[in-house]
Amino acid sequence: DAMVIQNPRYQVTQFGKPVTLSCSQTLNHNVMYWYQQKSSQAPKLLFHYYDKDFNNEADTPDNFQSRRPNTSFCFLDIRSPGLGDAAMYLCATSRGQVSYEQYFGPGTRLTVT
Amino acid sequence: AQSVTQLGSHVSVSEGALVLLRCNYSSSVPPYLFWYVQYPNQGLQLLLKYTTGATLVKGINGFEAEFKKSETSFHLTKPSAHMSDAAEYFCAVSLGSGNTGKLIFGQGTTLQVKP
Repeated sequence: DAMVIQNPRYQVTQFGKPVTLSCSQTLNHNVMYWYQQKSSQAPKLLFHYYDKDFNNEADTPDNFQSRRPNTSFCFLDIRSPGLGDAAMYLCATSRGQVSYEQYFGPGTRLTVT
Repeated sequence: AQSVTQLGSHVSVSEGALVLLRCNYSSSVPPYLFWYVQYPNQGLQLLLKYTTGATLVKGINGFEAEFKKSETSFHLTKPSAHMSDAAEYFCAVSLGSGNTGKLIFGQGTTLQVKP
């Protein structure tokens, strides 16, 4: 089945230690999104790629970076995680255009110790 | 600016009762509206969407929603709740961003189903 895969599902990192979260898709969608979701809150968009075009949200901290080496993969890098970065990180894909739905992966729960 | 408001952060119903989750939007252009469900420690799953055409939209798991432009609403309903419907529900509107869309979510509604 076509899907969005996130690895790992659970990640524990130390305060200040760089961490990378991975997302892959078999849907061949043009757009890939990264969201941060804190407890009991709605997902918050960090950035997205349309093909190789990167679009950063205005309020996304510089501590968060992303890479998309090819259509299938997208990575979220947190350069120096703080305790406030503990959250669920969701990857989503879309064919693009405003009317198309997004398909979400299962998420990676990040714990910062 | 487009926004979404979900009335009621928690809704509790008995098994077999009607489910009604409320969503109101504000949009200066014809909206594209979505309902997603999220189970604990999972990603979001699309329940249904409204883009154009029929205003009553049927989705998965017996859910449906009606787009009412005059009321700027897109409420989610299900005639008979199951225990498995207990989850977090998010209403969202799609905002055009260059050549893509991005979702603006409501704050979510937790549905509790009592036996």
